Amino acid sequence: AQKVTQAQTEISVVEKEDVTLDCVYETRDTTYYLFWYKQPPSGELVFLIRRNSFDEQNEISGRYSWNFQKSTSSFNFTITASQVVDSAVYFCALSEVYTGANSKLTFGKGITLSVRP
Amino acid sequence: DVKVTQSSRYLVKRTGEKVFLECVQDMDHENMFWYRQDPGLGLRLIYFSYDVKMKEKGDIPEGYSVSREKKERFSLILESASTNQTSMYLCASSPRRQGGTEAFFGQGTRLTVV
Repeated sequence: AQKVTQAQTEISVVEKEDVTLDCVYETRDTTYYLFWYKQPPSGELVFLIRRNSFDEQNEISGRYSWNFQKSTSSFNFTITASQVVDSAVYFCALSEVYTGANSKLTFGKGITLSVRP
Repeated sequence: DVKVTQSSRYLVKRTGEKVFLECVQDMDHENMFWYRQDPGLGLRLIYFSYDVKMKEKGDIPEGYSVSREKKERFSLILESASTNQTSMYLCASSPRRQGGTEAFFGQGTRLTVV
């Protein structure tokens, strides 16, 4: 069975600090996709990134970067120079192919990030 | 932009009531999902649907049913609401695509059963 573990539950940092959110996954699939979502206080989940299992290149988008390491089954997310607006719950997720082209997401329990001014 | 709309943001119901949570998406997505979110438990999949009139159980289907009569609409039904169903309910949709595809979420319905 698929599983996503986000061992950190709550992280609190001061603005401008760098912070890394950890994600470890388990799957028997050889092809799979990993995701990160952000859930601000308003409640709606916002998609951040999708990464397939064949692409281990790190990705950077502004202050956000992602480190995918297949050898350790990890897909970690780093926010550089954090800001108060980064305060949210962050979810890591793994896709599971159901049939054919259909898939569904398995989520971790989420990490609550608080950035203090 | 993809839009997933849930009919209510907040809902208060009494124990034993039949409750309908409605979700509509406007991007012609084949897949639709209902999750519930509880503190410390993350998002757990209740039911999902890959086509009209089709439904599959997720990880925690007990006490729930669903209906998908039209492609754009996916309803979650609590046959007899109980206090342990007090939770945030999130609807999502995604296109059919080989491999994995991101899901797009609604704003959530916070249901309180008293």
